[in-house]
Amino acid sequence: DTGVSQNPRHKITKRGQNVTFRCDPISEHNRLYWYRQTLGQGPEFLTYFQNEAQLEKSRLLSDRFSAERPKGSFSTLEIQRTEQGDSAMYLCASSPEGIAGEGETQYFGPGTRLLVL
Amino acid sequence: AQSVTQLDSHVSVSEGTPVLLRCNYSSSYSPSLFWYVQHPNKGLQLLLKYTSAATLVKGINGFEAEFKKSETSFHLTKPSAHMSDAAEYFCVVSPYGNKLVFGAGTILRVKS
Repeated sequence: DTGVSQNPRHKITKRGQNVTFRCDPISEHNRLYWYRQTLGQGPEFLTYFQNEAQLEKSRLLSDRFSAERPKGSFSTLEIQRTEQGDSAMYLCASSPEGIAGEGETQYFGPGTRLLVL
Repeated sequence: AQSVTQLDSHVSVSEGTPVLLRCNYSSSYSPSLFWYVQHPNKGLQLLLKYTSAATLVKGINGFEAEFKKSETSFHLTKPSAHMSDAAEYFCVVSPYGNKLVFGAGTILRVKS
């Protein structure tokens, strides 16, 4: 059973550098989500895709952040000009499209832990 | 806005005793509610899910939760704690069937 995978698992970078993370969802899932989790907090929603369309972006997603899902399969999250406040765990989740208005189960990957020095 | 409040940031129980993790939600209509668990250095795992079919929801590893609309609560319980239950637990609401809104989490400690 192949779950959601994320790469890299850890990333250390210097302030001002660009970083890119990859998420491979469960193959038959058409919805893909990105969340950010800082120490001592629950994950916070960043953005989500249905197939290749980005349907919603959180206000947390500043213009330094961009996410893509070019062929409706894997997704990338890029952070430009990283800041120390970007240090967090970045989580990816996928789900099948469920019944309208009913929360479908989201399956999470292990996350990418980013440290900005 | 939809939100959840986890009433305890830390809960400590002895092995073999009951577990109660408390969660209140805020929603203008009947939401979907979840409990997820996060073990150290592991991904989030779904414990159980409520979507209005039944107010008492059974999940994995002996956990269950009861949806109480009058109290806007969705508390997580387990009759007998096991050492392997030590982890962080998140109460989650899904306002519109897509994005998840997480509580701040409750760290469960199980003493031998």
